[in-house]
Amino acid sequence: EAGVAQSPRYKIIEKRQSVAFWCNPISGHATLYWYQQILGQGPKLLIQFQNNGVVDDSQLPKDRFSAERLKGVDSTLKIQPAKLEDSAVYLCASSFQADGEKLFFGSGTQLSVL
Amino acid sequence: AQSVAQPEDQVNVAEGNPLTVKCTYSVSGNPYLFWYVQYPNRGLQFLLKYITGDNLVKGSYGFEAEFNKSQTSFHLKKPSALVSDSALYFCAVRAPFGYNKLIFGAGTRLAVHP
Repeated sequence: EAGVAQSPRYKIIEKRQSVAFWCNPISGHATLYWYQQILGQGPKLLIQFQNNGVVDDSQLPKDRFSAERLKGVDSTLKIQPAKLEDSAVYLCASSFQADGEKLFFGSGTQLSVL
Repeated sequence: AQSVAQPEDQVNVAEGNPLTVKCTYSVSGNPYLFWYVQYPNRGLQFLLKYITGDNLVKGSYGFEAEFNKSQTSFHLKKPSALVSDSALYFCAVRAPFGYNKLIFGAGTRLAVHP
């Protein structure tokens, strides 16, 4: 079975620029998650989708971050404008059920903001 | 509020010796507990979970974890460590039911020496 696909693998931008990450979850997985993993810390949930609806975006900095999951399949996370503190690995995950008993993670996008 | 603590940044163990990676948690109600492993340049992989039932749960690659409600702990164990077990290990917790988010600890780096 194909895993969670993410692109790009790496991205380097300057502060105040914009960037977008793409994620394609495992086929049939209704729930999709975006996590931010800062070096030396555990992943932090940014947003959780159930099909194409948002069920938790309480930790998403909405003044600069946005995410969408059109048609309930793949998803895009955008940062505009980026700040230095946004440097992190952005992980996408999916799960079959909304209770998220087992998450499948992609390899992540490593973002460096200079 | 939910929280997870992994008190050790790094655990060193010799190959063939038993290993323990510690985790304590705080959550309202009966917890759902998880261990994930992260190998270099790869996404997190599910190892095992505790939802209910036997306090000792077995997972992938010979790992097991013991749930201790009175000590609010969920330590990861393996009877005999392998060099290939060297990786970053994350404990995670979520409150039961609904869309409660998965909260990760900061991670513990396991180094197994030949």
